[in-house]
Amino acid sequence: EDQVTQSPEALRLQEGESSSLNCSYTVSGLRGLFWYRQDPGKGPEFLFTLYSAGEEKEKERLKATLTKKESFLHITAPKPEDSATYLCAVAHMDSNYQLIWGAGTKLIIKP
Amino acid sequence: GAVVSQHPSRVICKSGTSVKIECRSLDFQATTMFWYRQFPKQSLMLMATSNEGSKATYEQGVEKDKFLINHASLTLSTLTVTSAHPEDSSFYICSARGLLQETQYFGPGTRLLVL
Repeated sequence: EDQVTQSPEALRLQEGESSSLNCSYTVSGLRGLFWYRQDPGKGPEFLFTLYSAGEEKEKERLKATLTKKESFLHITAPKPEDSATYLCAVAHMDSNYQLIWGAGTKLIIKP
Repeated sequence: GAVVSQHPSRVICKSGTSVKIECRSLDFQATTMFWYRQFPKQSLMLMATSNEGSKATYEQGVEKDKFLINHASLTLSTLTVTSAHPEDSSFYICSARGLLQETQYFGPGTRLLVL
């Protein structure tokens, strides 16, 4: 069964304290892995799409990496405005681009 | 680029009335649009998938007669909640993907409260 598991559920960091969020996935035929950021009361904001193991993408303080079993979202020297829920999702090769979602990691950056 | 809008952002209605939510792709043509529902502190739950000009495909457990979806053009999809009841109160979010795009881009969401 296709599945996405994110850890930890919640993460509290001090401003400037770097860390990583994990997204483990089980899917028979990966079309793509997606990272989104969601602020309370808003729709998810697209961050990255990764397609194959070894791929890496960066945007400001965020860097996403992909292996055959998991993806990491590395946050370097985070700021309070990086506080949000980070969602990971995968699309199966045979799906109509439908996404299988993880439960998310709530990130809180304290000043 | 890849902007998706939703209207209205918030709606309050009486039980038994119908509510229509619009989802528009502003700067690209949306081959496929998706409608989600999100409960507090939970992840997104896919309700239905619609391809332009075709009937929507509903997920198991979603009543197609209650949640009417229309994807009449490449930039507009609508979700109509018919005969709304308090249990339909939720946060509804649409997303869209363009031709040859893998990524879904999301709208800002609509908060529905049924009294």
